[in-house]
Amino acid sequence: AQTIHQWPVAEIKAVGSPLSLGCTIKGKSSPNLYWYWQATGGTLQQLFYSITVGQVESVVQLNLSASRPKDDQFILSTEKLLLSHSGFYLCAWHPSAETLYFGSGTRLTVL
Amino acid sequence: QQNVQQSPESLIVPEGARTSLNCTFSDSASQYFWWYRQHSGKAPKALMSIFSNGEKEEGRFTIHLNKASLHFSLHIRDSQPSDSALYLCAVRGRNMGYKLTFGTGTSLLVDP
Repeated sequence: AQTIHQWPVAEIKAVGSPLSLGCTIKGKSSPNLYWYWQATGGTLQQLFYSITVGQVESVVQLNLSASRPKDDQFILSTEKLLLSHSGFYLCAWHPSAETLYFGSGTRLTVL
Repeated sequence: QQNVQQSPESLIVPEGARTSLNCTFSDSASQYFWWYRQHSGKAPKALMSIFSNGEKEEGRFTIHLNKASLHFSLHIRDSQPSDSALYLCAVRGRNMGYKLTFGTGTSLLVDP
């Protein structure tokens, strides 16, 4: 069975500080991976997707970047956090059936 | 650019009631439709999907899709307190690649 793991579970960071969030998926080779962002109680906004190692497509510009250094790993980062970056970050993947499966998420608070 | 709207924004129903949630989309070429449920503080989880016009039932949940009306809905029979959550509809268009567009969400509270 495939498992998706996100880290850290939560972060409290200062404006202007750097950030790195991670996601790994086990049990599936060459998965399509996605990063989503959700403001509190709001809709899910797709940020990035990747279909293979070293390839990442940006969907929206939020002063964030993403990388796929390994087949099973997807990293979201920024060098300078903004207040508007606060929210819930979710990594996701989908098998051929199209349905998205989400990791447990990282709650980010920027102060 | 796909625009997906949900109604109502929030809903309170008594336990045992039938609940209806609505989702409208703007791209008539859309092909794939889902409902996701998100309990407070947790990640969203796919509830049901439908890929062709009509109705699909799974237990207490029914999806109805009408592509001509750009509308699909989720109906919950015998609503339970455990159904209290944020419900998000999601749509993918025929030529939208890997982009899934989520709706604005409906917050449901089932009052025991």
